[in-house]
Amino acid sequence: QITLKESGPAVVKPTQTLTLTCTFSGFSFSETGVGVGWIRQPPGQALEWLALIHSRNDKRYSPSLKKRLSIARDTSRNQVVLTLTDMDPMDTATYYCARRPPGFYSFDWWGQGTLVTVSA
Amino acid sequence: QSVLTQPPSVSAAPGQKVTISCSGSSSNIGKNYVSWYQQLPGTAPKLLIYESNKRPSGIPDRFSASMSGTSATLGIAGLQTGDEADYYCGTWDDSLNGGVFGTGTKVTVL
Repeated sequence: QITLKESGPAVVKPTQTLTLTCTFSGFSFSETGVGVGWIRQPPGQALEWLALIHSRNDKRYSPSLKKRLSIARDTSRNQVVLTLTDMDPMDTATYYCARRPPGFYSFDWWGQGTLVTVSA
Repeated sequence: QSVLTQPPSVSAAPGQKVTISCSGSSSNIGKNYVSWYQQLPGTAPKLLIYESNKRPSGIPDRFSASMSGTSATLGIAGLQTGDEADYYCGTWDDSLNGGVFGTGTKVTVL
């Protein structure tokens, strides 16, 4: 059984740094080619791809957010951490983490998502 | 800012079929497989189609997909009230070196 769960603050202030943790089970980074990605969805809007980290620790970022984003993994804890600096009200969204299975571009398992509101 | 374009909404009566288009470019759909996701109200997206036309275990064959050039299409046959949801296409973009999603399509069962 594969599960993923996002955790982090529900509210952050403008200019602060957001740190979100994705804790997963049922797979591990020892599985060659597996990846964990972050996707967000502002209220009432479309999905936006943010970042991806692979089993080989390769990292990919959305070009539009690359300067503010960082993704890292803790293989011993089965966790992936996303940080987004200089938060703005436009960053208010539900943030999802999801698994990318080996050899595929799709995300086959998703977390439930966590709503992050940026407000003073 | 979505790179892939979908119609905002489609609708049909129960039992009918709807199709949802996803238009991209040579750097994304033109070179990579497309996935489709269903997002029921208030829930996380769920994978419906991967590698452009394959269904994960448990997804009924009422859901089908195809690709042609820089576009992809999702079809939902035998429409049911439980199919009312938002649907998103997604793929990899070689120019952006990252993933991209579509603008999303709301399916309404009349």
